[in-house]
Amino acid sequence: AQSVTQLDSHVSVSEGTPVLLRCNYSSSYSPSLFWYVQHPNKGLQLLLKYTSAATLVKGINGFEAEFKKSETSFHLTKPSAHMSDAAEYFCVGGAGSYQLTFGKGTKLSVIP
Amino acid sequence: DTEVTQTPKHLVMGMTNKKSLKCEQHMGHRAMYWYKQKAKKPPELMFVYSYEKLSINESVPSRFSPECPNSSLLNLHLHALQPEDSALYLCASSRPGLAGQETQYFGPGTRLLVL
Repeated sequence: AQSVTQLDSHVSVSEGTPVLLRCNYSSSYSPSLFWYVQHPNKGLQLLLKYTSAATLVKGINGFEAEFKKSETSFHLTKPSAHMSDAAEYFCVGGAGSYQLTFGKGTKLSVIP
Repeated sequence: DTEVTQTPKHLVMGMTNKKSLKCEQHMGHRAMYWYKQKAKKPPELMFVYSYEKLSINESVPSRFSPECPNSSLLNLHLHALQPEDSALYLCASSRPGLAGQETQYFGPGTRLLVL
């Protein structure tokens, strides 16, 4: 069975500084991994998806994630945080037909 | 276009009411999902329809009744709910793919308050 662990429940950065949201996965097979973002009182928006085609995945709004098999990690990064990036971020694994395994989420705060 | 729409945006209902949530997508996706999300928690899967047939029911109480009238529409009928059912209800859809690789696209959700 697959599981994902988000290592930080809350991350706070200053506007214009880099963002790093950490996610580790455990899987007995090659996983599908996703990052979703959820702004307050909104649905989940897909940021990016990894499916083994390339280890560095570029997403929307300047986000990217690197799949590192040796470290079982799939961390999300952005070079420069914007105020609009403040939201909840979920690392998610494909867990079988139609099923997703969600991490517990990381709340990103951006300080002006 | 990757849009899933949900109505209503907000719903307040009493414990004896009957109401329905509606979800619609026109992306040709053949799998549709209902999730429940409590505050500060990740979404929890409730139901999955695949090709208009109920594929997964995650032991959801019978006061929640899903319906998939056609490939574009998904309803969730609510009856005799409890205050603890208050939550954000999210709909999602995906096209068929390899198991575990389907990309799910989420709607904006319906915020439900049960009094």
